[in-house]
Amino acid sequence: DVKVTQSSRYLVKRTGEKVFLECVQDMDHENMFWYRQDPGLGLRLIYFSYDVKMKEKGDIPEGYSVSREKKERFSLILESASTNQTSMYLCASSPQGRGPYNEQFFGPGTRLTVL
Amino acid sequence: GQSLEQPSEVTAVEGAIVQINCTYQTSGFYGLSWYQQHDGGAPTFLSYNALDGLEETGRFSSFLSRSDSYGYLLLQELQMKDSASYFCAVRSDSWGKLQFGAGTQVVVTP
Repeated sequence: DVKVTQSSRYLVKRTGEKVFLECVQDMDHENMFWYRQDPGLGLRLIYFSYDVKMKEKGDIPEGYSVSREKKERFSLILESASTNQTSMYLCASSPQGRGPYNEQFFGPGTRLTVL
Repeated sequence: GQSLEQPSEVTAVEGAIVQINCTYQTSGFYGLSWYQQHDGGAPTFLSYNALDGLEETGRFSSFLSRSDSYGYLLLQELQMKDSASYFCAVRSDSWGKLQFGAGTQVVVTP
């Protein structure tokens, strides 16, 4: 079974702190994604990566950065956390999409609260 | 701009049929996916349509009309466990990037 794990289920941080959210997948997927999920807004793409050392901005990258030093690991970084970054953060991975479809597999999510 | 529209909530009784519509406007289109998410859980893949027509997987079916930029998810013989949020998502590039709608909460009542 594909497994995507995230470093924390719940996290509480202070405004201005640097926050690291880690995601690891064990299926040798090329693609990895970070989303945030807020009520009524669905899943919004923050950053994604199609290969090691590669990163692309999604729809809402402001205030975030990412790192992909190894194929299985994709980290989301909040350089200086703010209260409007309180949200559920979801990581996903998928195989590269040359086939008819490429299902995304999601981790359990990290609920981040910034005080 | 890019947008996906789906109803925010649908309520139905056990055993009924529910159709969740999704209209989209995106810069790239390779296919339409549907994901299910139970409260507190992670989204899980349900179906994918790249070509026009109906795809059936057990009690769930998904339809796509590319000319109308429209699709739907059909849930038949509703069960209590089908109470969840359902998201349509457009695959917007050849590598696998998805753009999600805001989700439809399906509430199944006894």
